[in-house]
Amino acid sequence: DAKTTQPPSMDCAEGRAANLPCNHSTISGNEYVYWYRQIHSQGPQYIIHGLKNNETNEMASLIITEDRKSSTLILPHATLRDTAVYYCIVRVYSGAGSYQLTFGKGTKLSVIP
Amino acid sequence: KAGVTQTPRYLIKTRGQQVTLSCSPISGHRSVSWYQQTPGQGLQFLFEYFSETQRNKGNFPGRFSGRQFSNSRSEMNVSTLELGDSALYLCASSLEGNNQPQHFGDGTRLSIL
Repeated sequence: DAKTTQPPSMDCAEGRAANLPCNHSTISGNEYVYWYRQIHSQGPQYIIHGLKNNETNEMASLIITEDRKSSTLILPHATLRDTAVYYCIVRVYSGAGSYQLTFGKGTKLSVIP
Repeated sequence: KAGVTQTPRYLIKTRGQQVTLSCSPISGHRSVSWYQQTPGQGLQFLFEYFSETQRNKGNFPGRFSGRQFSNSRSEMNVSTLELGDSALYLCASSLEGNNQPQHFGDGTRLSIL
């Protein structure tokens, strides 16, 4: 089972920041939080990941709370092309060097013109 | 750098047949994972290969199998196809380690008639 909880849907006005929340209260100390998004009929696209520090790249920022029980993905200036399903995933060690992604239902973000 | 390439993009089969799907990972990536995506069950992990060895497996019947070649390319096979096997099959590759994101291809859409 996925170790994360996300709202099923969110709306955001074009040009505004989109803030997507994720709860992961059972995360362990060495487990990373990963964010992906999926646009219809395409494969999931990697966005960003983090362990405990805030992270930023050209696509987004990831804010992780100090207790690591929740995080927020921030798209600073949402465009219509950011409309997608966003998945927050805690990557779990499965043994033998394997780290597994377990996808939940994600948040469907709709960017409104 | 080329992304993950999956072939074919679309496939139509009938019940009882078998099918082989192919995945070429990003150059230098030795870990290859396969996922099944359906509207009802979402994205589910099938298995992961590393250095030609399966090191993790999801909860799927033995009709689903895979292999990896010395150049890290991977194939998955589904035998005795059932209507419920209709899905988008996704392949992802990564460098080794928990801090290395998986990168997905755009999948093979398999339809069973």
